[in-house]
Amino acid sequence: DARVTQTPRHKVTEMGQEVTMRCQPILGHNTVFWYRQTMMQGLELLAYFRNRAPLDDSGMPKDRFSAEMPDATLATLKIQPSEPRDSAVYFCASGTRDRTPPQHFGDGTRLSIL
Amino acid sequence: AQSVAQPEDQVNVAEGNPLTVKCTYSVSGNPYLFWYVQYPNRGLQFLLKYITGDNLVKGSYGFEAEFNKSQTSFHLKKPSALVSDSALYFCAVRVDSNSNSGYALNFGKGTSLLVTP
Repeated sequence: DARVTQTPRHKVTEMGQEVTMRCQPILGHNTVFWYRQTMMQGLELLAYFRNRAPLDDSGMPKDRFSAEMPDATLATLKIQPSEPRDSAVYFCASGTRDRTPPQHFGDGTRLSIL
Repeated sequence: AQSVAQPEDQVNVAEGNPLTVKCTYSVSGNPYLFWYVQYPNRGLQFLLKYITGDNLVKGSYGFEAEFNKSQTSFHLKKPSALVSDSALYFCAVRVDSNSNSGYALNFGKGTSLLVTP
């Protein structure tokens, strides 16, 4: 059963450190999404890519967050420098060009910034 | 902007009873609506979607949802709840129904479903 793989599953680090989260989309999926989940805000769309090109990153704080797809099998989300308010669960999802997805979600990276 | 609202933070139901998790939507154009379920420490799993056609949509694990245009609602239902259905349920709407590029989703806040034995 094809799955979206996210690494690491858990990350604890100190404020100011760089954090890199990785996502391997399902083979053949050409669209990748990054979401952030917190108790207060729920699920927020941060950015998404199609065919490795960014389509929308308006939900992402530009000063510290960056998202890339170096190749079709890897998407990365970086935070530099990290802050305690970045603590959340970050989900990656992938989908096809179909207009009516379901998106397939990974199990997330639980990030804690001390 | 396309949005959905889930008016209940939590729904409690006894096993074997029917369950309903409510969702209302606000969209311009045709709504593309979805339900997802999230189990602890897991990502979201797709349950069902409404694009067009029959107002009653059947999905995974015995769930179904009823699209009601006049009430702008898309409630999730199941005739007989199981303890294993206890989870967090999210309603979602496609961000832009008029574009081939904009199929990111806006999610509701989620409703926690607790099914008791």
